Amino acid sequence: GAVVSQHPSRVICKSGTSVKIECRSLDFQATTMFWYRQFPKQSLMLMATSNEGSKATYEQGVEKDKFLINHASLTLSTLTVTSAHPEDSSFYICSARATGLSAFFGQGTRLTVV
Amino acid sequence: SQQGEEDPQALSIQEGENATMNCSYKTSINNLQWYRQNSGRGLVHLILIRSNEREKHSGRLRVTLDTSKKSSSLLITASRAADTASYFCATDASQGAQKLVFGQGTRLTINP
Repeated sequence: GAVVSQHPSRVICKSGTSVKIECRSLDFQATTMFWYRQFPKQSLMLMATSNEGSKATYEQGVEKDKFLINHASLTLSTLTVTSAHPEDSSFYICSARATGLSAFFGQGTRLTVV
Repeated sequence: SQQGEEDPQALSIQEGENATMNCSYKTSINNLQWYRQNSGRGLVHLILIRSNEREKHSGRLRVTLDTSKKSSSLLITASRAADTASYFCATDASQGAQKLVFGQGTRLTINP
């Protein structure tokens, strides 16, 4: 199946700093990418949908100025958590899909803000 | 956003037994998918069932879908210790755009 690579897999940052997470589709062109957040022992919550070359669509309650999403190419989307705080500590997962195909998930990024 | 409900939230069985997990959802869907997640890892896609399908098989997995009841079940037969994981259903109500809404998940433990 298609491969979606997410980097880094783990990151620890200091409160107030920004962290960038990358999501790459390795063997297909992803017209749409999705970003999810998962708190411990909970389900995945969709944060935003990004389409290549256009602004991301954020779900209700997700701050677009805090979670910056860039989908500059058909193989790369980035999520930047700005001015991170301990409550932003979570597992962030991306998924990518090409038109007409199922979505494939990255391995996730565990963010810890100290 | 709508969230699916899954039951049970946790299930512990002996190796070799069958495990059944259920999922209910609220809106009309294009398809329903089941995923597995090992602790702290990404999601593994197990099976997709479309809204016009009622049952689907893949190896030891059997999925049913009842759109009139807005429910689905995942059956794992002859369970193995390696099946220990969390299992999530996810519904696609976005006309196939893969904007998935996940259920709360079932934590399955297979005891050797």
